[in-house]
Amino acid sequence: AQKVTQAQTEISVVEKEDVTLDCVYETRDTTYYLFWYKQPPSGELVFLIRRNSFDEQNEISGRYSWNFQKSTSSFNFTITASQVVDSAVYFCALSEPRRTGKLIFGQGTELSVKP
Amino acid sequence: EAGVAQSPRYKIIEKRQSVAFWCNPISGHATLYWYQQILGQGPKLLIQFQNNGVVDDSQLPKDRFSAERLKGVDSTLKIQPAKLEDSAVYLCASSLDTPRDGYGYTFGSGTRLTVV
Repeated sequence: AQKVTQAQTEISVVEKEDVTLDCVYETRDTTYYLFWYKQPPSGELVFLIRRNSFDEQNEISGRYSWNFQKSTSSFNFTITASQVVDSAVYFCALSEPRRTGKLIFGQGTELSVKP
Repeated sequence: EAGVAQSPRYKIIEKRQSVAFWCNPISGHATLYWYQQILGQGPKLLIQFQNNGVVDDSQLPKDRFSAERLKGVDSTLKIQPAKLEDSAVYLCASSLDTPRDGYGYTFGSGTRLTVV
């Protein structure tokens, strides 16, 4: 069965601290995609990154970085030098293109960055 | 391009009443999804359409929920009768085709339903 687990329900940090959000997934497919979305208080889901199962290179985009490790079925997200505007709920998601392509979301991690 | 439009933005109803939500996907997008997001949880797929056909409705509580996409464009999700546990945000998303390359999902802003 496909499943995404985000064990951290809430994280609170002080501005400028680094923070890592954990994501562990389960799938039987060899071809799949992993995503991170940000959901600010306004409610919309903002796409952050997509990774396919054949590309294990880590990625950095500004203060954001992602660590994909197939050996541990993890796709962790790190924010360096956090800012108050990073406060939001972050979701990790999995899709399996050989099936319906739907997104399977984790339960989310609420990040609170305090000034 | 215009995004995925949803209405209403908010809705408060009493239990046992009925309610309907509307979604207009991005023009040309063949695939349309309805997700339910209960407070404190991740979105969960209710139903997926490809054009006007249903691809996946395995998680849709069919005794009270129904959805249609008659002309393969906009869609309506209905709840009748509503229960307290239906309080959630209902998100609509669309994609050009079944996103086999992993790209292309666009989400609307959602409809926040409160059942009292």
